[in-house]
Amino acid sequence: GQQLNQSPQSMFIQEGEDVSMNCTSSSIFNTWLWYKQEPGEGPVLLIALYKAGELTSNGRLTAQFGITRKDSFLNISASIPSDVGIYFCAGSGGATNKLIFGTGTLLAVQP
Amino acid sequence: NAGVMQNPRHLVRRRGQEARLRCSPMKGHSHVYWYRQLPEEGLKFMVYLQKENIIDESGMPKERFSAEFPKEGPSILRIQQVVRGDSAAYFCASSPLGTSGGGDTQYFGPGTRLTVL
Repeated sequence: GQQLNQSPQSMFIQEGEDVSMNCTSSSIFNTWLWYKQEPGEGPVLLIALYKAGELTSNGRLTAQFGITRKDSFLNISASIPSDVGIYFCAGSGGATNKLIFGTGTLLAVQP
Repeated sequence: NAGVMQNPRHLVRRRGQEARLRCSPMKGHSHVYWYRQLPEEGLKFMVYLQKENIIDESGMPKERFSAEFPKEGPSILRIQQVVRGDSAAYFCASSPLGTSGGGDTQYFGPGTRLTVL
């Protein structure tokens, strides 16, 4: 079945630092989505990517859909304490749009 | 515009009992997806429904689990004769397009945390 490898597994950084995380897939996706999840809550959509090569920003967040359609990255610039959470990539490529999720990146930001 | 609603937020059941989880999609969305998340793991797809139809149930366990999305009312995920291994967070997502258009996006509810004693 399809698998998503997400890295790094966790990051512990200082406030103000930039962050980068990525996902790679064993197969092609048509859509890449990035979500953030906080404890006890559901995933919140951050950025959606629909075309290979697409680069999209949302405030301090930037994400790109890889040209090969098998990878995506998310960058967070000038991190702040409220960026803390688990970040998940998710891709869909099949006929039914079901999402395949990455294993998550735990981000901790020290003030 | 209210987001995806799920209830209950927390559900405790004893082994052998039934669990019913409800999901109301965002207004205007007719496509519902259910996912399960075990502790320290990512979300795993279970089932995709459109009004009155199951479109993809490839992630549903073969026994004890069922889902429906009636013409009126919320989508229901039903787990019969629960076992301890069913303890997890169950999330519902909804989308406006489903398979009828490219570029669809799924929005998630807050989840139901099921604990089986």
